Amino acid sequence: SQKIEQNSEALNIQEGKTATLTCNYTNYSPAYLQWYRQDPGRGPVFLLLIRENEKEKRKERLKVTFDTTLKQSLFHITASQPADSATYLCALDNYGQNFVFGPGTRLSVLP
Amino acid sequence: DAGVIQSPRHEVTEMGQEVTLRCKPISGHDYLFWYRQTMMRGLELLIYFNNNVPIDDSGMPEDRFSAKMPNASFSTLKIQPSEPRDSAVYFCASTWGRGPGSFGPGTRLTVL
Repeated sequence: SQKIEQNSEALNIQEGKTATLTCNYTNYSPAYLQWYRQDPGRGPVFLLLIRENEKEKRKERLKVTFDTTLKQSLFHITASQPADSATYLCALDNYGQNFVFGPGTRLSVLP
Repeated sequence: DAGVIQSPRHEVTEMGQEVTLRCKPISGHDYLFWYRQTMMRGLELLIYFNNNVPIDDSGMPEDRFSAKMPNASFSTLKIQPSEPRDSAVYFCASTWGRGPGSFGPGTRLTVL
């Protein structure tokens, strides 16, 4: 069956450290993988998109990797700040099939 | 641009009543998505449109749910009759192509 998993429901890290979030999928062949941030009471906000033929994408303190062999994407936030605390969602675009979100990881950056 | 606009922001209704949620996508976007978010099930895709045409409604839970997009600037999601298990936050999102989604603020629906 098709499944998207994100490494943990919640992740606590110390300010200044690098946060690494994982998105694993099975029985999908995504054309794109996207990462979103969601704050309580708000809709998800797009952060980064990576295509199946790309290995890595960066934007400021954010970095995303995509390994189609491992069926995994890693999302890194370097020099994390308390303002980075939020839920982070990965989403797959399944080549004309549908658009599927993972369950999310709630990140808390502790001062 | 004002972003994706949803109304109402909150809706409280009684079981059996009809509920209509509204969405105005970003101008120029050709895809529109309706999602439902709950603690138990996360963010689920209900239906999406391309150029106002429904493409995939396999996520619509039951016949009580229906969605329309009469033109490029307006879509509705209707639940009739509503049930307590429909209580959730409903999001509308729009995209250009199959690119990054712009989400609306959501409608929090409570069915008593």
